Amino acid sequence: QLRLVESGGGVVLPGRSLRLSCAASGFSFNIFSMHWVRQAPGRGLEWVAVISYDGDKEYYGDSVRGRFTISRDNSKNTIYLQMNSLRGEDTAVYYCSRGSDRSLSDGMDVWGQGTTVTVSS
Amino acid sequence: EIVLTQSPATLSLSPGERATLSCRASESVSSYLAWFQQKPGQAPRLLIYDVYNRATGIPARFSGSGSRTDFTLTISSLEPEDFAVYYCQQRYIWPLTFGGGTKVEIK
Repeated sequence: QLRLVESGGGVVLPGRSLRLSCAASGFSFNIFSMHWVRQAPGRGLEWVAVISYDGDKEYYGDSVRGRFTISRDNSKNTIYLQMNSLRGEDTAVYYCSRGSDRSLSDGMDVWGQGTTVTVSS
Repeated sequence: EIVLTQSPATLSLSPGERATLSCRASESVSSYLAWFQQKPGQAPRLLIYDVYNRATGIPARFSGSGSRTDFTLTISSLEPEDFAVYYCQQRYIWPLTFGGGTKVEIK
């Protein structure tokens, strides 16, 4: 059974850091790229970042580049999102999603349930 | 970045009716356009990838068409479970971007 489970969300002060995790199961994790996508309250979807199957390539959305870092540990079937210098506009539900075994930009066919990040003083 | 504009913002229809959703890109995205469905409190679900390919388990009443800058998602006959928000997404140029969404609501 394909499964993605996010964790690590919570309430954090502006300017502080938070690390999200996404644990995968039910598929060959080490051959798939993986994405983070977020959704602010009452808003649409915003793509955040992607990492290649081997961790060698990463791409970021304009609003998070330089502040967020995506990484993965294939021995643990887990990806991470290190979020630094957090702002109020980073408040959102963060989803991880399976990418593709063919291309870095493809996929998003399996999604987790999301973890909520609230940036507030 | 490529901006995707979806229209209409809201579509009010009855079960059994045909739904036609539009997605227009600010520049060509070739054939790298996907559609997602999202219901309240749930994660998005991939419906269509690369313009017209249905994802695994997606019913045949969902179909996609278009090219370059103009794309359409058609639901041939709305079922009660189809009332939701629909997003288009391009993967042609980094960063990946989503449209603002179209809400399909019960009339």
